[in-house]
Amino acid sequence: SAVISQKPSRDICQRGTSLTIQCQVDSQVTMMFWYRQQPGQSLTLIATANQGSEATYESGFVIDKFPISRPNLTFSTLTVSNMSPEDSSIYLCSALGTSGRGYNEQFFGPGTRLTVL
Amino acid sequence: AQSVAQPEDQVNVAEGNPLTVKCTYSVSGNPYLFWYVQYPNRGLQFLLKYITGDNLVKGSYGFEAEFNKSQTSFHLKKPSALVSDSALYFCAVRDPNDYKLSFGAGTTVTVRA
Repeated sequence: SAVISQKPSRDICQRGTSLTIQCQVDSQVTMMFWYRQQPGQSLTLIATANQGSEATYESGFVIDKFPISRPNLTFSTLTVSNMSPEDSSIYLCSALGTSGRGYNEQFFGPGTRLTVL
Repeated sequence: AQSVAQPEDQVNVAEGNPLTVKCTYSVSGNPYLFWYVQYPNRGLQFLLKYITGDNLVKGSYGFEAEFNKSQTSFHLKKPSALVSDSALYFCAVRDPNDYKLSFGAGTTVTVRA
């Protein structure tokens, strides 16, 4: 199974600033994803992080607001740019890996809890 | 487009009683269905999934789920709930031709001692 860590675990930021969240996987994975979980709501996919190329964004999310990097098969970053209070959410990194049962599973990091004042 | 519905925001049961968390789905073709659990201040943990084969799927921590194609449901069950099962549960669906998961709104389970 893939173990995913995220930094920071939480942060409180001022309106108009940017925050970069790091995601590290303990093994090489084919696919990595970034999700947002707004307070009291479900998870929404922001984008698929592609290694060596631009991320693939879902409807409603744009690169200027959420730039993503994935320089290799184990690491990705998500930046939340020009933040507003509406960006207050938990941001989760996810990776598609192989479980102990031998098939693909999507593993999730512990999340980064962002509060924008 | 694929979607998942979890009709109950909250489920409350007494410890030792059966626990059921409901999920219905909508997807074109044969679905891949998943259950995840989220404990406070922690990430999502995989519980079980249905891809094909036996409609009754057994997963982690004594949970199981039954795939019902005619009712487009994938309810999560546990015969005897524990206080430690109190958490937020998410049902998710995936198109077999894609890797993107669509999540339900989540159901908060509270098991009282």
